[in-house]
Amino acid sequence: QSALTQPASVSGSPGQSITISCTGTSSDVGGYNYVSWYQQHPGKAPKLMIYEVSNRPSGVPDRFSGSKSGNTASLTISGLQAEDEADYYCSSYTSSVVFGGGTKLTVL
Amino acid sequence: QVQLQESGPGLVKPSQTLSLTCTVSGGSISSGDYYWSWIRQPPGKGLEWIGYIYYSGSTYYNPSLKSRVTISVDTSKNQFSLKLSSVTAADTAVYYCARGADYFDYWGQGTLVTVSS
Repeated sequence: QSALTQPASVSGSPGQSITISCTGTSSDVGGYNYVSWYQQHPGKAPKLMIYEVSNRPSGVPDRFSGSKSGNTASLTISGLQAEDEADYYCSSYTSSVVFGGGTKLTVL
Repeated sequence: QVQLQESGPGLVKPSQTLSLTCTVSGGSISSGDYYWSWIRQPPGKGLEWIGYIYYSGSTYYNPSLKSRVTISVDTSKNQFSLKLSSVTAADTAVYYCARGADYFDYWGQGTLVTVSS
């Protein structure tokens, strides 16, 4: 069971939009709609941002959105804000669970 | 508001067994609505799923850790626990408990466990 593939880092300026990709296989990301995304600030526990590909939990700003095409899921953050600077992880559930390696988002 | 809290030793010797407990408040494990999971994060690295348990005791483990992991549940105390045997320095990590399996919506604050003699 291999980790999902994420870019190590992405960056953007305040107000811009960025997209973080999460690539798996037809056995995980591509085969099921159980992709979730987590935001983690330094020294803190991860926070759920997106579940089941594109659903936002209550309290998560609508600037955060999720999508999937084939074996690749994506997290888009529009209107970047300084507080969005964090590590982001994707995850896929297929009765087993696998995480991506994480992406460090820098807000310039 | 559901809250999870990890507890257990912060230092474990190599070859020994790591034992942690997660206490759940604000919700009942016995409700049967959720799975309950353990996840870890080595210092400076990414997240690794360890396994999850249902209130009935049924479990599912990460294949890479399966031979060393046991997750159990005590519904009377609203707790679930992790045991990881034959630990090495590679098992040094922040260990989180979380609610869910298909996604994790509530997390504990995490507890650092260091494996060292």
